[in-house]
Amino acid sequence: SAVISQKPSRDICQRGTSLTIQCQVDSQVTMMFWYRQQPGQSLTLIATANQGSEATYESGFVIDKFPISRPNLTFSTLTVSNMSPEDSSIYLCSAGRPNEKLFFGSGTQLSVL
Amino acid sequence: DQQVKQNSPSLSVQEGRISILNCDYTNSMFDYFLWYKKYPAEGPTFLISISSIKDKNEDGRFTVFLNKSAKHLSLHIVPSQPGDSAVYFCAASGGSGYSTLTFGKGTMLLVSP
Repeated sequence: SAVISQKPSRDICQRGTSLTIQCQVDSQVTMMFWYRQQPGQSLTLIATANQGSEATYESGFVIDKFPISRPNLTFSTLTVSNMSPEDSSIYLCSAGRPNEKLFFGSGTQLSVL
Repeated sequence: DQQVKQNSPSLSVQEGRISILNCDYTNSMFDYFLWYKKYPAEGPTFLISISSIKDKNEDGRFTVFLNKSAKHLSLHIVPSQPGDSAVYFCAASGGSGYSTLTFGKGTMLLVSP
């Protein structure tokens, strides 16, 4: 199994500012992902964090809005840029190895005023 | 267009009885299905999975049934316990292992004593 530490656990931010969320995995994993859960909605994949290269974004998500870094196998960051109230969501980091189940961090509850 | 649907947003069950959570999918390329449980302020935790080569998988009190022809799966919890009260997410993946997961919106299960 893998333990995923995600921080901050929650934040309240002003419109127009940016927030960086950190994700640390306690073991080396191949895959890391970032998900978003908007109120009353399912978990939606934002992007796959690739080690040492640009993240792979899903339709509807762009690098300028959600820049992602993954400098090594166990650490990744997601930045929510130029925030608006519509960005208020839970952001979740997940990680795993091929052919194994995904593990999730505890999430970051973001509120944008 | 939701590819994974959980049509019941909530379910109430008495302790000791069976809980049945349902999930439907539309994408015939999905061949790996998972159930996650989520408590408030925590990330989803893996519960049980099933691949498309099987129609049933058991793990203690939890059993997942897959009906490929109907594109339907269900999670049975027997007997239900108050600690099972949580939001349950159905997720599906195409290809081996987890690749990228598509989630349903979740069903909130409340087990009353």
